[in-house]
Amino acid sequence: AAGVIQSPRHLIKEKRETATLKCYPIPRHDTVYWYQQGPGQDPQFLISFYEKMQSDKGSIPDRFSAQQFSDYHSELNMSSLELGDSALYFCATTPWGGRSYNEQFFGPGTRLTVL
Amino acid sequence: GQNIDQPTEMTATEGAIVQINCTYQTSGFNGLFWYQQHAGEAPTFLSYNVLDGLEEKGRFSSFLSRSKGYSYLLLKELQMKDSASYLCAVHAPRNTPLVFGKGTRLSVIA
Repeated sequence: AAGVIQSPRHLIKEKRETATLKCYPIPRHDTVYWYQQGPGQDPQFLISFYEKMQSDKGSIPDRFSAQQFSDYHSELNMSSLELGDSALYFCATTPWGGRSYNEQFFGPGTRLTVL
Repeated sequence: GQNIDQPTEMTATEGAIVQINCTYQTSGFNGLFWYQQHAGEAPTFLSYNVLDGLEEKGRFSSFLSRSKGYSYLLLKELQMKDSASYLCAVHAPRNTPLVFGKGTRLSVIA
């Protein structure tokens, strides 16, 4: 079965550089959530999109921005990277409606290391 | 506010049964999820409860009491591969981000 795809899987950047993470939802999933998980921490919600519009905003820094495109894939853009941005970044997708609950299917994650 | 509590670490013996508890206080409730997460990997879905009671799925069962804000995940016939973190997550309003607990790191020993 198709799963959520994230790219790249690993990314190494230096301080003050920029990074772009991509998430490709499962077909017919049109809601995307971005989470950041630091070492030994629980996933923290950053931002979500439904039908290409931002639907919820969590603890996303102003240095980060995100969008969802017409094919429902989403990109998380991170600028002026800091050491503390080193984390696993997951996206999770759900189909909107048509289910009794909204299980979030997680992608494999992108491990970002900022040096 | 949102608050989800679960034990930080637990250890259990291969073949045994272990119960991981989760208590929550959230503004709104639309279901509680349990996820398993191995180190460096994505969380994978284990169970979902929205009504009070026990949901059983193979070696895993999950229980919910909404009046007590309490859930547990029961793992039977433990295997070494069950060593992982177990995340309790609450859906407050429907179709909103999950609020995660900090996870319980389970170690299964021989």
